[in-house]
Amino acid sequence: EVQLVESGGGLVQPGGSLRLSCAASGFTFSSYWMSWVRQAPGKGLEWVANIKQDGSEKYYVDSVKGRFTISRDNAKNSLYLQMNSLRAEDTAVYYCARGTSLTSAFDIWGQGTMVTVSS
Amino acid sequence: SYVLTQPPSVSVAPGKTARITCGGNNIGSKSVHWYQQKPGQAPVLVIYYDSDRPSGIPERFSGSNSGNTATLTISRVEAGDEADYYCQVWDSSSDLVVFGGGTKLTVL
Repeated sequence: EVQLVESGGGLVQPGGSLRLSCAASGFTFSSYWMSWVRQAPGKGLEWVANIKQDGSEKYYVDSVKGRFTISRDNAKNSLYLQMNSLRAEDTAVYYCARGTSLTSAFDIWGQGTMVTVSS
Repeated sequence: SYVLTQPPSVSVAPGKTARITCGGNNIGSKSVHWYQQKPGQAPVLVIYYDSDRPSGIPERFSGSNSGNTATLTISRVEAGDEADYYCQVWDSSSDLVVFGGGTKLTVL
């Protein structure tokens, strides 16, 4: 079964750091672009970052540039999001999602992991 | 940056046709993808590359894209179609993935 499972969410203070993980199974992870998409409580979807199959290209939404880093380990079939200098507005459910190319749709999504930034 | 505009809500009676629009500057030149999201669940892809349907998505779901508007059409609407729907594109001028604000479909 094709599956993405996120982990690593939780409660963190403003200015703190958190590392999210996404474990992939059921498909050849190294063949796909991967992304992080977030959704603040009661709000719409917001794309955060994506990464090419070999990690050679990465793109970020402006609001997280310089604070978040997307990475992947194809040997471990895993995607990561290192989040530093967290702000209250980063509070959201974070989903990992799979795409076949830079312009493609996200055809598989994880169930999401909640990140709450609060003192 | 590129902006996608969706109506906040659309209401339709069961068995009728729902049309959800996604407006953007010359969106017809871009590839548009659509997602369905039910409360407490992850989004599900329902239309990709303007009008293609993933396996498992009913034929009642269709899409079109021309000029400044892309449209998701749901025919013979069922109660189970009630959800939030989002359009999405890749904006090559800014290297960003852009989502529309979402449309809540209510089945009356």
